[in-house]
Amino acid sequence: QQQVKQSPQSLIVQKGGISIINCAYENTAFDYFPWYQQFPGKGPALLIAIRPDVSEKKEGRFTISFNKSAKQFSLHIMDSQPGDSATYFCAASTGALITGTYKYIFGTGTRLKVLA
Amino acid sequence: NAGVTQTPKFRVLKTGQSMTLLCAQDMNHEYMYWYRQDPGMGLRLIHYSVGEGTTAKGEVPDGYNVSRLKKQNFLLGLESAAPSQTSVYFCASSYVGLSGGLQETQYFGPGTRLLVL
Repeated sequence: QQQVKQSPQSLIVQKGGISIINCAYENTAFDYFPWYQQFPGKGPALLIAIRPDVSEKKEGRFTISFNKSAKQFSLHIMDSQPGDSATYFCAASTGALITGTYKYIFGTGTRLKVLA
Repeated sequence: NAGVTQTPKFRVLKTGQSMTLLCAQDMNHEYMYWYRQDPGMGLRLIHYSVGEGTTAKGEVPDGYNVSRLKKQNFLLGLESAAPSQTSVYFCASSYVGLSGGLQETQYFGPGTRLLVL
């Protein structure tokens, strides 16, 4: 019920290609779905996020596609660049901290390598 | 504006030793969190705090204690370290928006790498 399943574990893409990372969740109470980007030796940083009232959100080369009925969401990186090489984590959260129902669950991560 | 900082960056402990990890944030955020990151397991929430003087358990709290005596600091303690606590520990913070709603973005520190022998 609490899991967020992320795939693939690793991904190699040619420069200019499209990188696609998928996540699936079980808890229908989740209401916020962020993606974090982490470079080696650094902490994760928010890349893009979506709420379930929209099916797609785009910011530059990064797009989140959200399928509420399938309980799945994905990250698309268009025109992938070597500088995008990093580990990407999806997450899902629900509830407010003060109500005691807070959950912020991360996927297991996808290591992306973009070849020059 | 340093954001979220963590000390130390790296530490080696022997089984049974104790230590405290310090997290500090200068963004005046209300909420702070401690995560551990292990290969293939993503980030797992250890404890969190909704304000000064308050803490709550996360997903994997056993073997850890926390304190939030000041708004800007969140301490994670290991009373008796075990090899299973070898991990990278991340602190994060987030804030309450003007409307009173929780802003969901978490701001992470650079991490503390802990090795327990």
